Amino acid sequence: DTAVSQTPKYLVTQMGNDKSIKCEQNLGHDTMYWYKQDSKKFLKIMFSYNNKELIINETVPNRFSPKSPDKAHLNLHINSLELGDSAVYFCASSPASSAPGYTFGSGTRLTVV
Amino acid sequence: GDSVTQMEGPVTLSEEAFLTINCTYTATGYPSLFWYVQYPGEGLQLLLKATKADDKGSNKGFEATYRKETTSFHLEKGSVQVSDSAVYFCALSGHSGGGADGLTFGKGTHLIIQP
Repeated sequence: DTAVSQTPKYLVTQMGNDKSIKCEQNLGHDTMYWYKQDSKKFLKIMFSYNNKELIINETVPNRFSPKSPDKAHLNLHINSLELGDSAVYFCASSPASSAPGYTFGSGTRLTVV
Repeated sequence: GDSVTQMEGPVTLSEEAFLTINCTYTATGYPSLFWYVQYPGEGLQLLLKATKADDKGSNKGFEATYRKETTSFHLEKGSVQVSDSAVYFCALSGHSGGGADGLTFGKGTHLIIQP
């Protein structure tokens, strides 16, 4: 009964490859997000999706593309991976209503070699 | 834009010591404020939150009060345990609701509790 689940938990890949990270939430939330946590533990939002519409796209390279097949899923696809993409990626979701609440997945540790 | 500043770590304390982790913020409007905790090798867990001025969030012995006049949301605990060792993040949401803005995080404070 995991609320926000991400797969895989660990991902090791070579430079130049294309990879995807999947995220699913069973909370009925309207908005989903992707965050990147760098080696210094700093967390920064990458994208958010609300009702299949991209709301935020921070200064993220266009090699990163979020894909939302439905309200419960927001996958992160990364093309032409670079060493600097190595990080922990967290998916999260929140309701669009007045009560603030963000639920995070357990993270995907991406290592580019 | 919105920003969150929290004290740099690591913060090392002995068990049963009093804990304060400072957090101040800059935001327009009336943000909601949060503390998240990340235990080693794990994801982010919501520790507590406050949605309006003078609200006090509390959980697991931790407390933080939303101080609009000083734009602060300091985290406190009266007696820490070894199991409290983790990284603590202060964060804000630019809207009172869940909002598509997402969260703006501070840089995190690594807390180490020694027995």
